Amino acid sequence: GAGVSQSPRYKVAKRGQDVALRCDPISGHVSLFWYQQALGQGPEFLTYFQNEAQLDKSGLPSDRFFAERPEGSVSTLKIQRTQQEDSAVYLCASSLPGLGSDTQYFGPGTRLTVL
Amino acid sequence: RKEVEQDPGPFNVPEGATVAFNCTYSNSASQSFFWYRQDCRKEPKLLMSVYSSGNEDGRFTAQLNRASQYISLLIRDSKLSDSATYLCVVNWGDYKLSFGAGTTVTVRA
Repeated sequence: GAGVSQSPRYKVAKRGQDVALRCDPISGHVSLFWYQQALGQGPEFLTYFQNEAQLDKSGLPSDRFFAERPEGSVSTLKIQRTQQEDSAVYLCASSLPGLGSDTQYFGPGTRLTVL
Repeated sequence: RKEVEQDPGPFNVPEGATVAFNCTYSNSASQSFFWYRQDCRKEPKLLMSVYSSGNEDGRFTAQLNRASQYISLLIRDSKLSDSATYLCVVNWGDYKLSFGAGTTVTVRA
């Protein structure tokens, strides 16, 4: 079956621009996660949705970051007024009900470069 | 101090060799443990879960030592296709995964 898809795969933004990153989770997966992976580092948790409810946004680095999942399927991560330190790969993952032991399936990521 | 620490490597080994590496975690309340594999410019993929009794999956063996708070991964009879970054992942019992920075393994012909 289809895996997690993300678009765009690559995004170049000028500092100060707003960007929107899209995630299509695996059909039927209740839980959706966003992670940020800087070069040479492991993914860092940003936020978590269960269906349309954003249950945890503790990992969002600043109030310039906003995520939504209005209908409980597709999710969008928006970054306002991008800064150079926002350059990273943004990974989306989905899983079944979201117990810690459930496998999280990752999308290919969006590589954001802020100039 | 990071929650999950790994030796970044790289571990450069010839085909057929055995390679092993560890990761340590800081939270003794951790409940679930995993190894993920990440190829260059690709997404992480689950390699195997790690159980208290230790477990094998083909050429891969994972061990968990709760007392010393470390997890290990051993790869036997290395293949060129094993070249990747191996991410140690810990779950504290909720939905979040905490990742190490990864250990890079390069298998040469």
